[in-house]
Amino acid sequence: AQKVTQAQTEISVVEKEDVTLDCVYETRDTTYYLFWYKQPPSGELVFLIRRNSFDEQNEISGRYSWNFQKSTSSFNFTITASQVVDSAVYFCALSEPTGNQFYFGTGTSLTVIP
Amino acid sequence: DVKVTQSSRYLVKRTGEKVFLECVQDMDHENMFWYRQDPGLGLRLIYFSYDVKMKEKGDIPEGYSVSREKKERFSLILESASTNQTSMYLCASRGSFPTDTQYFGPGTRLTVL
Repeated sequence: AQKVTQAQTEISVVEKEDVTLDCVYETRDTTYYLFWYKQPPSGELVFLIRRNSFDEQNEISGRYSWNFQKSTSSFNFTITASQVVDSAVYFCALSEPTGNQFYFGTGTSLTVIP
Repeated sequence: DVKVTQSSRYLVKRTGEKVFLECVQDMDHENMFWYRQDPGLGLRLIYFSYDVKMKEKGDIPEGYSVSREKKERFSLILESASTNQTSMYLCASRGSFPTDTQYFGPGTRLTVL
């Protein structure tokens, strides 16, 4: 069965602190895709990153970085030097090979305090 | 930029009413999706459509139906709204996978009284 677990329900950090959002997944597929989305207070989910199961290379985009480890079935997301604009709910998701079925975690609500 | 629009941001209906939630995308995407989002449960797929007039059930289709008469429009229908259908409803569309991801609309917050 496919499952995504985001154990952190809510996180609060002070501006400029680093923060890591955890994501653990379960799947029997050998080919799968992992995603992170951001949902700001406006409500619209914004795509951040996609990773396929054969690409374990970590990625950095500005203050954002992602650590994909198949050995621990984890796809963690780190925000460096957090800013107030990073306050949002962040969702990790898993997709089977066709992309028709996305499995979302329950989300982590991040609050960055100025 | 991909644009997915939903007909209403907020909607209040009464129990037993028939409710239509509309979603329109402007990128000629084949695939469209309806999710509901509830606190502590994340997003759950209700239905998706991979072509005009084609649909597939997701994880929680009970109490819902869908309609896709035109490629750009995907409607979610609550035949007889109930209070347990009070939720945030999100529509998404997608082009070719895996090169394309799902793009989401702003959501409709539906309250059933």
